[in-house]
Amino acid sequence: EIVLTQSPATLSLSPGQRATLSCRASQSVSSYLAWYQQKPGQAPRLLIYDASNRATGIPVRFSGSGSGTDFTLTISSLEPEDFAVYYCQQRSNWPLTFGGGAKVEIK
Amino acid sequence: QVQLVESGGGVVQPGRSLRLSCAASGFTFSDYGMHWVRQAPGKGLEWVAVIWSDESNRKFADSVKGRFTISRDNSKNTLYLQLNSLRAEDTAVYYCARGRGSDYLDAFDIWGQGTMVTVSS
Repeated sequence: EIVLTQSPATLSLSPGQRATLSCRASQSVSSYLAWYQQKPGQAPRLLIYDASNRATGIPVRFSGSGSGTDFTLTISSLEPEDFAVYYCQQRSNWPLTFGGGAKVEIK
Repeated sequence: QVQLVESGGGVVQPGRSLRLSCAASGFTFSDYGMHWVRQAPGKGLEWVAVIWSDESNRKFADSVKGRFTISRDNSKNTLYLQLNSLRAEDTAVYYCARGRGSDYLDAFDIWGQGTMVTVSS
């Protein structure tokens, strides 16, 4: 099973600041990595698929990069609605696995 | 609009069974692989199972293999998850989710609102 480790677990930032979240895989997943945003009481929402492709309707301030084992989700300038939990997920091998999540909170 | 709506959750005793449903609308259901993902209270996301668009294959997480089954009725645009031999650790919100592309090793682009399953005596 591919283990995804997200860091940091919590990021405390102010609106307008840049957020950088990391996801590291226990083995190469090529570019088969996705990012999701989840707000309290809501289902996750797909942000990025295949490492760097924005999903439909996702603002350009969200970007993804990386390949192999190291990936990054960047939010260029935090909006109030971006404070949430973010998960990475690999689709390289069965079983599909998620990272443990990273919370972006208001400082 | 594209939508998934789960139902069937509830409180059930350990060892008992439950069947979850997920009604799809707004897209051609039979074209997509469909998944179940769960989230225990206060915890992260865990993929549970997938079924191919034509029901030709299924895969399960080790934690549920042999206890849960996944099925679909493409004529009714509905996905199912049969949960048997339930354990306390199966307590979670269960989401159905659509696979984004034509590969069943996939990301999930559409999610339902989730249905809560609580396993407790």
